[in-house]
Amino acid sequence: ELKVEQNPLFLSMQEGKNYTIYCNYSTTSDRLYWYRQDPGKSLESLFVLLSNGAVKQEGRLMASLDTKARLSTLHITAAVHDLSATYFCAVGGRDDKIIFGKGTRLHILP
Amino acid sequence: DVKVTQSSRYLVKRTGEKVFLECVQDMDHENMFWYRQDPGLGLRLIYFSYDVKMKEKGDIPEGYSVSREKKERFSLILESASTNQTSMYLCASSFPAGLIVHYEQYFGPGTRLTVT
Repeated sequence: ELKVEQNPLFLSMQEGKNYTIYCNYSTTSDRLYWYRQDPGKSLESLFVLLSNGAVKQEGRLMASLDTKARLSTLHITAAVHDLSATYFCAVGGRDDKIIFGKGTRLHILP
Repeated sequence: DVKVTQSSRYLVKRTGEKVFLECVQDMDHENMFWYRQDPGLGLRLIYFSYDVKMKEKGDIPEGYSVSREKKERFSLILESASTNQTSMYLCASSFPAGLIVHYEQYFGPGTRLTVT
């Protein structure tokens, strides 16, 4: 059974600092996703990672995938307040299903 | 742009009522999904459908049923609402993973259901 674990689940950080969110998953998969959710809003797709070594960047966010280690990271560079949100990692399972982690609630202090 | 819409943003129902949550997508996606989201539990899959009139149970189907009579519409039904079904309900849609490389799910705005 595919399980997805994110850590940390809650992160409070200062503006301007760098940090990394980790996503581990338990069985082989060829698809990994990162989503963002603002309070009271729905999920917005950030990155889709499909191969070992894949790296994608958008602004201050960079996601990478190591399929051998079953690990993805979401790195935040020089955080700004606008990046405060909950970030979900999700992994493609069988039958087109996607299994979600519990989310990392990121709070960036001015 | 993909658009997934849900019939209500907020809904308040009484225990024992039958509740219908509607989801419509305009991208001709084969797959549609219903999740519920609760604090500390992430998103949990209730049901999904990979074609008209086809459905599969997700991780927490108890107390729910679904209907997909048309490709663009997927309904979630709470036959007899209970207080433990108070939650945020999210609908999503996608192409099949084998059909498109850049496969991902697109989410609707969510329905916050309160059962009193």
